Amino acid sequence: DAMVIQNPRYQVTQFGKPVTLSCSQTLNHNVMYWYQQKSSQAPKLLFHYYDKDFNNEADTPDNFQSRRPNTSFCFLDIRSPGLGDAAMYLCATSRETGTSYNEQFFGPGTRLTVL
Amino acid sequence: AQKVTQAQTEISVVEKEDVTLDCVYETRDTTYYLFWYKQPPSGELVFLIRRNSFDEQNEISGRYSWNFQKSTSSFNFTITASQVVDSAVYFCALSEAQGDSSYKLIFGSGTRLLVRP
Repeated sequence: DAMVIQNPRYQVTQFGKPVTLSCSQTLNHNVMYWYQQKSSQAPKLLFHYYDKDFNNEADTPDNFQSRRPNTSFCFLDIRSPGLGDAAMYLCATSRETGTSYNEQFFGPGTRLTVL
Repeated sequence: AQKVTQAQTEISVVEKEDVTLDCVYETRDTTYYLFWYKQPPSGELVFLIRRNSFDEQNEISGRYSWNFQKSTSSFNFTITASQVVDSAVYFCALSEAQGDSSYKLIFGSGTRLLVRP
């Protein structure tokens, strides 16, 4: 089945130790998104890639970076995780043609714990 | 600015009761899309419905129904004859067009639904 896959599902890191979260998709969608969802809060968009073009949200901290080496994969890098970065990180994809909205398909998420 | 308000933080019902989850939105766009997502304890966001701003017809899908009222900027979700498996957090969301033809989802704060046996 075509899907959005996130690895790992659970990640534990130490304060200040860089961590990378992975997202892959078999849907061949051209847009990939990263959302951050803190406990009991709504998901909040960090950034997205439209094809190879990176689009950062204005309030996304510099500590968060992303890479998209090809259509299928997208990575979220947290350079120096703080305790406040503990959250669920959700990857989503969509196929955008510029004519109308298409659904975003979400992966299962990676729950990040910072010790 | 785009905004979605889900005033009900948590709702608890007994199985087989009907329950309505409220959603009120604010937008300056003339064309927009509204969504409901379900988030079970596993964490994955499950898409339930999309509605565009030009289609005010109510929709029914099994035990689920949605009422879109543009005049009151509301998009409410009703579960009929609730079941324990309906227990989850439900998010209402609004699309916001980005400069590159993609869309950003603006989520409400969510309503936690607990269905007791």
